[in-house]
Amino acid sequence: DQQVKQNSPSLSVQEGRISILNCDYTNSMFDYFLWYKKYPAEGPTFLISISSIKDKNEDGRFTVFLNKSAKHLSLHIVPSQPGDSAVYFCATGGTSYGKLTFGQGTILTVHP
Amino acid sequence: DTAVSQTPKYLVTQMGNDKSIKCEQNLGHDTMYWYKQDSKKFLKIMFSYNNKELIINETVPNRFSPKSPDKAHLNLHINSLELGDSAVYFCASSPTGEDPQETQYFGPGTRLLVL
Repeated sequence: DQQVKQNSPSLSVQEGRISILNCDYTNSMFDYFLWYKKYPAEGPTFLISISSIKDKNEDGRFTVFLNKSAKHLSLHIVPSQPGDSAVYFCATGGTSYGKLTFGQGTILTVHP
Repeated sequence: DTAVSQTPKYLVTQMGNDKSIKCEQNLGHDTMYWYKQDSKKFLKIMFSYNNKELIINETVPNRFSPKSPDKAHLNLHINSLELGDSAVYFCASSPTGEDPQETQYFGPGTRLLVL
């Protein structure tokens, strides 16, 4: 039933290394993909996005990759910093305006 | 200057009670949303309003009733609270709600616990 899944509940990496967060979706009608970041006691904040016509979008240390044939999305953070420690949600949109479908989040911990 | 604010932040109440959660945005956006984050941590959309008009109404029990007095406010009223309503409820807004590429801005969430 869940159309967007993040199968890794948590990820732990060392500062300076690469963090790779993964997301799978089932609905091929989705045409816009986003990552949101959430700190404790705060709401999610937008991080980076990609449309279905692209396979890569980069913004500083953050890169999102889209593999449409595999219905797979990933977020790369390099180099990882302790301040990146948060919950990362992937989300998809495009089936109806304004409606985003979120995954369940991955807790990223970056150790100094 | 909080962009999207919610009150209260925490709400503990008994089964069967009626409660409301308020949301206000000062971003001048036309569209506002309510999401529920359940025990499995999925964020699921419940409702969206555009300029006080209901746009999205997901499969939500009719004990939940959103009310939008103006486009800057979207309140959520819950009747006859049940244990399963315990969750974190997030309000969000976006400029128009018509462009799937629009960023949605979230409030800090209201943690509801039904005893």
